[in-house]
Amino acid sequence: QVQLVQSGGGLVKPGGSLRLSCTASGFTFSDYFMNWIRQAPGKGLEWLSYISGSGRIIYHADSVKGRFTISRDNAKNSLYLQMNSLRAEDSAVYYCARSYYGSGSYLIYWGQGTQVTVSS
Amino acid sequence: QSVLTQPPSVSGAPGQRVTISCTGSSSNIGGGYDVHWYQHLPGTAPKVLIYANTNRPSGVPDRFSGSKSGTSASLAITGLQAEDEADYYCQSYDSSLSGSGVFGTGTKVTVL
Repeated sequence: QVQLVQSGGGLVKPGGSLRLSCTASGFTFSDYFMNWIRQAPGKGLEWLSYISGSGRIIYHADSVKGRFTISRDNAKNSLYLQMNSLRAEDSAVYYCARSYYGSGSYLIYWGQGTQVTVSS
Repeated sequence: QSVLTQPPSVSGAPGQRVTISCTGSSSNIGGGYDVHWYQHLPGTAPKVLIYANTNRPSGVPDRFSGSKSGTSASLAITGLQAEDEADYYCQSYDSSLSGSGVFGTGTKVTVL
């Protein structure tokens, strides 16, 4: 069955960096758009980034553009989110998710979520 | 910031029917793009309840139904049950966001 297993969250100081990983199984990873979504405490879901199956098409929301970078390694069935210059407002639960098909389509499978806390 | 607006909360007694609205614009729902709905329980990942406006994935009870008209969409829950207490989000594609999806502001459903 399809699984998305996340790792890499934790506590980091403001201005610090963190890399989130998401390892996929149960489907042909390179065929699908992948996404990062987050939920800050008391807030709703926010679509952060997406990347095409080949990695050639990438999007970042304005809130993270220039600080976060989405990438993938299809040989390792893995998705990444490199987060730099972290701020307190980046504290959230981060989810990876697979698109049903193209960008902006519904998110059919989700990782378990990983907590990122930015605090001194 | 979300471009899809939902009511912050709705509530109903067990067995009642509740509806959640999702209002967008011409760059998303009104542009003919599909609307999807997710249920989000605390401590778990969101789960698709309705996809492509009206379709239920296998395993989702038929108490949940979706509709879409113009720049808005709705999720209806009939025969409300205690386990339906959760946050619900609509989602669509937005042509002004470089092909990204966008979520609604979210609605907390409380079973009285």
